[in-house]
Amino acid sequence: DIQMTQSPSSLSASIGDRVTVTCRASQGISTYLAWYQQKPGKVPELLISAASSLQSGAPSRFSGSGSGTDFTLTITSLQPEDVATYYCQQYDTAPRTFGQGTKVEIK
Amino acid sequence: QVQLVQSGAEVKNPGASVKVSCETSGYTFTAHYIHWVRQAPGQGLEWMGWTNPKSGDTKYSETFQGRVTMTRDTSTSTFYMELKRLTSDDTALYFCARGSPVGGSRRPSDYWGQGTLVTVSS
Repeated sequence: DIQMTQSPSSLSASIGDRVTVTCRASQGISTYLAWYQQKPGKVPELLISAASSLQSGAPSRFSGSGSGTDFTLTITSLQPEDVATYYCQQYDTAPRTFGQGTKVEIK
Repeated sequence: QVQLVQSGAEVKNPGASVKVSCETSGYTFTAHYIHWVRQAPGQGLEWMGWTNPKSGDTKYSETFQGRVTMTRDTSTSTFYMELKRLTSDDTALYFCARGSPVGGSRRPSDYWGQGTLVTVSS
């Protein structure tokens, strides 16, 4: 199975800060990497697919990059509504493994 | 609009089985795989498996192999996930989620059900 390792597991940042979350795959997955946002008590929502393709309706302050084994989710200017846990998931092969999540809070 | 509507919360005794349903609408039923993902309280997301709506073929995570059965009913556009021999570790929110198009390129899960809470307790 492909292991997905996210870091950090949690972070606290100020409104307007640039926030970066990383995700590393245990083997190459090309760009078959998705990012999900899960707000407290809510269903996960697809934020980014194919490592860098922002979903329709998602704010442009979110961006993704990477290929192969190393990936990054960036929030260019953190907003209060971005408080959530963010998960990466590889969909290159089954099982479609998730990272352990990164909890983003406001300082 | 695409909708995945799941069955209601369940409370089960250890050793019992649970069957969760996921009724789909707003798209062609046979066009997309359906995945199942669970989330234990306060924990992360865990992929369980998928069903091919056209063939009924399934793929399960090794974690659940032998205990899980995923099926579909083409007449009602509904998918099912049955988990047997429940323990307290199976207490979780279970989600269905739409996946890749059948015969198409790989895509992540773009629409999710609202989740079904399964509580295992004596």
